[in-house]
Parts: sequence; structure tokens; C-alpha cells
Amino acid sequence: EAQVTQNPRYLITVTGKKLTVTCSQNMNHEYMSWYRQDPGLGLRQIYYSMNVEVTDKGDVPEGYKVSRKEKRNFPLILESPSPNQTSLYFCATAGGVGTLNTGELFFGEGSRLTVL
Amino acid sequence: RKEVEQDPGPFNVPEGATVAFNCTYSNSASQSFFWYRQDCRKEPKLLMSVYSSGNEDGRFTAQLNRASQYISLLIRDSKLSDSATYLCVVNRRNGNKLVFGAGTILRVKS
Repeated sequence: EAQVTQNPRYLITVTGKKLTVTCSQNMNHEYMSWYRQDPGLGLRQIYYSMNVEVTDKGDVPEGYKVSRKEKRNFPLILESPSPNQTSLYFCATAGGVGTLNTGELFFGEGSRLTVL
Repeated sequence: RKEVEQDPGPFNVPEGATVAFNCTYSNSASQSFFWYRQDCRKEPKLLMSVYSSGNEDGRFTAQLNRASQYISLLIRDSKLSDSATYLCVVNRRNGNKLVFGAGTILRVKS
């Protein structure tokens, strides 16, 4: 079954405690991306990757890091989380940049992060 | 101004009603357009693409007006199961990013 798997699904943490949200896909997709979703603001792109070892900033990259060492994994790292990073995070994949023209992103189930 | 703007709603309609949502986009170079559906506490999923000629999928019809820079989604004969948030999505001209609107909430009531 085609899947995008995120972990953890729910996390409450404290300011400054480093955390990583993992994303793994089994569809051999080249394109992977992280979004955060906040009320009234919609989905905003944090980082994206067009292939292994290729990553680029999205619209709201501050406070986040990513890496793409393998095709299937695209972890999101919060080195020093702050309360304004409390949000719902989604990982998404697509077959390749060209397939974005079809509009079909495959999303993980989301990770709800609360930073106290 | 947001790149993609939608009326947040909520739109509260009875079963069987016809309801329409609009979405406006600011980047005239945008090249492709889509509607996504997001159920409460779930991930977004592609509902349909929006073509210049318009397209229909069962009870759903999507239209694009490039001159006025808006897209629309029409739902006929609303079902309870149509209750969700509908996200308008635009692919920028360089093709490597989908920009999402904040969504329109639809509640269909019996």
C-alpha cells in the first residue's frame, strides 16, 4: 500500500528541546515537502526536496532544518523549538517536479506539535 | 495580500442544495489550478483539477477564469459526506511549488 508515514503524530514539548519529525514514503517519489497548517493561514511550505541531497527553502523556513540523505526519508528538525512553532505539520510527496503540474501531492496523516 | 484567497465560510447548507465556492489568485503567471478536500483532522487530498475549459466530475464542477484570476467549485445535490474544508491550490509558473489557500468550510446538514 502506498504510504507517507509521519512520526510522531502528536507531541507536546518544551521550548528549546530539539526534536525531529520523521517522514518516510514507499512510493519511490523524488519530490518531498514539509508544510505547516495554522488556522486562517492554510498550508505553508517550510522546505522541499526535489531529490536526494537537494533541498530548498519554502515560504517559512526559519527555525527548521531538513535533510534528504535517502530518497524515502525527509526528516524535519526543530533545533530549538519555540511556542510559535506550535502547529499541525504535514509531509507530502510527488512523483517528481513535473508531476506537480498534475497537482497531486500525497500527504502524510499529520503531526500535531505543541511547544510550551 | 495572500497569493491565494478564499472565503473561510462556513457555508451551512441543507442536503440536496447547490453550493459554490470561489477562490482568487494574485499571480497572473500561475499555470495550473486544483481543488483539494480536507476532512476534519485529516490530511488534504486532491479532489479535482481545474482546466480552462472547465471540468466536471459527477456532482462537482470546477471553472477557471484567467482574466479575472479566480477559480470556482460548484457542488450539486450536496450530501452530508461533502462536509469538509475545500482548499484552492495554485501551481506557480516555475512549477515546483503548490500554493494553498486557507480553505472554505462546508457543512451540509440534514
